Amino acid sequence: KAGVTQTPRYLIKTRGQQVTLSCSPISGHRSVSWYQQTPGQGLQFLFEYFSETQRNKGNFPGRFSGRQFSNSRSEMNVSTLELGDSALYLCASSSYSGGYNEQFFGPGTRLTVL
Amino acid sequence: SQELEQSPQSLIVQEGKNLTINCTSSKTLYGLYWYKQKYGEGLIFLMMLQKGGEEKSHEKITAKLDEKKQQSSLHITASQPSHAGIYLCGAEVGGSNYKLTFGKGTLLTVNP
Repeated sequence: KAGVTQTPRYLIKTRGQQVTLSCSPISGHRSVSWYQQTPGQGLQFLFEYFSETQRNKGNFPGRFSGRQFSNSRSEMNVSTLELGDSALYLCASSSYSGGYNEQFFGPGTRLTVL
Repeated sequence: SQELEQSPQSLIVQEGKNLTINCTSSKTLYGLYWYKQKYGEGLIFLMMLQKGGEEKSHEKITAKLDEKKQQSSLHITASQPSHAGIYLCGAEVGGSNYKLTFGKGTLLTVNP
């Protein structure tokens, strides 16, 4: 089985722009979670989607949004970029059929905001 | 909110030595995950622990969950350079296994 893929791997944007990141989960996985990783704050939960519905959201401003498509692929969007949005954005997929399920992470998208 | 404290923050060991990384929670642990990360890359799943007293091993890595102490430990036996990286513990928030909170990580360096 192919792992979680994320595109693009690297991205450079300027302040005020917007960006869209993509995540393709492992085949058969219906849950996709997004995390932001920075040196100062570590790994922080952004949101999670299951069957095209957002089930949970972290403490991030409304500039951060996401969606999930019927094939479970997910995108996250960040509008009006700020310097502090520079980070490694990771997505994780899980089969989640109830109970506890491990999350498999993708390689991440490194976003640099200038 | 739940917080996870990892110790030590960084660790340098000589190849062949044993080491332990700890992860302490401010709240009851429902599920505890250990991941390894190479700098700037994605997380590699190592182990998941659910029940108090549970212990799991994979190759030379052993993880334990002490539910009473709200703590988990990761032990590496006879460390190798391939073990180098950042070790992260993650816990399910309030029993929700699709929202994980993570510790800040432990940077492990193994000198040959």
